[in-house]
Amino acid sequence: NAGVTQTPKFQVLKTGQSMTLQCAQDMNHEYMSWYRQDPGMGLRLIHYSVGAGITDQGEVPNGYNVSRSTTEDFPLRLLSAAPSQTSVYFCASSSFGREVKDTQYFGPGTRLTVL
Amino acid sequence: TQLLEQSPQFLSIQEGENLTVYCNSSSVFSSLQWYRQEPGEGPVLLVTVVTGGEVKKLKRLTFQFGDARKDSSLHITAAQPGDTGLYLCAGVRAGGSYIPTFGRGTSLIVHP
Repeated sequence: NAGVTQTPKFQVLKTGQSMTLQCAQDMNHEYMSWYRQDPGMGLRLIHYSVGAGITDQGEVPNGYNVSRSTTEDFPLRLLSAAPSQTSVYFCASSSFGREVKDTQYFGPGTRLTVL
Repeated sequence: TQLLEQSPQFLSIQEGENLTVYCNSSSVFSSLQWYRQEPGEGPVLLVTVVTGGEVKKLKRLTFQFGDARKDSSLHITAAQPGDTGLYLCAGVRAGGSYIPTFGRGTSLIVHP
């Protein structure tokens, strides 16, 4: 199993550009989520999904869109990039939802810089 | 307001020293997890605690869940350079969403 994969690993954007961060998992997990990590801020939840066709907002959803057309994929779209979106983005998956002991598996992250 | 407060934020120690990291809240949690994150990588789960007063050991790491399930601690005995990393706690609130909330993390550096 590859686990959780994310692409690209690094990205530089100009203000106003749009892009999609890709996330895929091969563990047949129902639950997937996107976090951003900023220095001294821990991990903040952007959006999450409990299954194909179902998404919901997390703590910091503004400026981001998600969709979940398949169990495996959960892309994150930046509609119009802003410098405040410079961050490291992590995708995670889990068989969560019903069992608090479930483990979240994280991808390696995408380091995004918005100029 | 941060739901989970971690302390200290930074810790720089010599190899062989002991240390404790704390994760505190005013809320009650169904479960609490500890993750370690190494530079350039995603967090990796170390342990999950679900019962008040529970103690779990992972080699030199000891995790404790408070009796009231509002706090947790991570104690490392005889720290080694390989323990260097960011330690994050994450909790699922009792009676709330099953989505975990993360603390801000404790950055640990162990010098040889």
